[in-house]
Amino acid sequence: LAKTTQPISMDSYEGQEVNITCSHNNIATNDYITWYQQFPSQGPRFIIQGYKTKVTNEVASLFIPADRKSSTLSLPRVSLSDTAVYYCLVGYNDMRFGAGTRLTVKP
Amino acid sequence: DTGVSQDPRHKITKRGQNVTFRCDPISEHNRLYWYRQTLGQGPEFLTYFQNEAQLEKSRLLSDRFSAERPKGSFSTLEIQRTEQGDSAMYLCASSLSVRAANYGYTFGSGTRLTVV
Repeated sequence: LAKTTQPISMDSYEGQEVNITCSHNNIATNDYITWYQQFPSQGPRFIIQGYKTKVTNEVASLFIPADRKSSTLSLPRVSLSDTAVYYCLVGYNDMRFGAGTRLTVKP
Repeated sequence: DTGVSQDPRHKITKRGQNVTFRCDPISEHNRLYWYRQTLGQGPEFLTYFQNEAQLEKSRLLSDRFSAERPKGSFSTLEIQRTEQGDSAMYLCASSLSVRAANYGYTFGSGTRLTVV
């Protein structure tokens, strides 16, 4: 199973773009890269999933370089409500979570 | 469909008692997962089902833990002889797997277990 490494915490301010990078050096050919968001006392919520290059949806973009050994979640113009823990997962048949990145958005 | 439902939301039990949690996944999802999460940690994988078959169990899932998904729909997680270390949030998730691709998980709100 590919192990992931993310920063433990990040701070930002309202209106800024936030980029959270995840390293996954031993990603396997079949593995997808998936990001989740979790608020206190709630289950994680799916944000975005990709395999290679760039994926964009209504809430985020996911950038994956050609070697797929890392990925970057980009949150445009964050607000206070984006304060949460963000998890990067790499896997195929099952998904194991790391400790995640605790993002704090300040006014 | 209202998403993944877990019952109960909260459970307080005395050490040594048995507890059972229920998860109702999204109806068309063929995969169901159980996770455990303690404060400040990411969710820890416990087990998952594809339809009614339990395909993998974590080593975290001791003999006191058992999970079932008898008809490939809802699932139950039972903990026998609870210990204080079992206190955690128990999360259920479901997903649709088509041709072995996994299209992301939908999580329930969890069952918070407190063993006193």
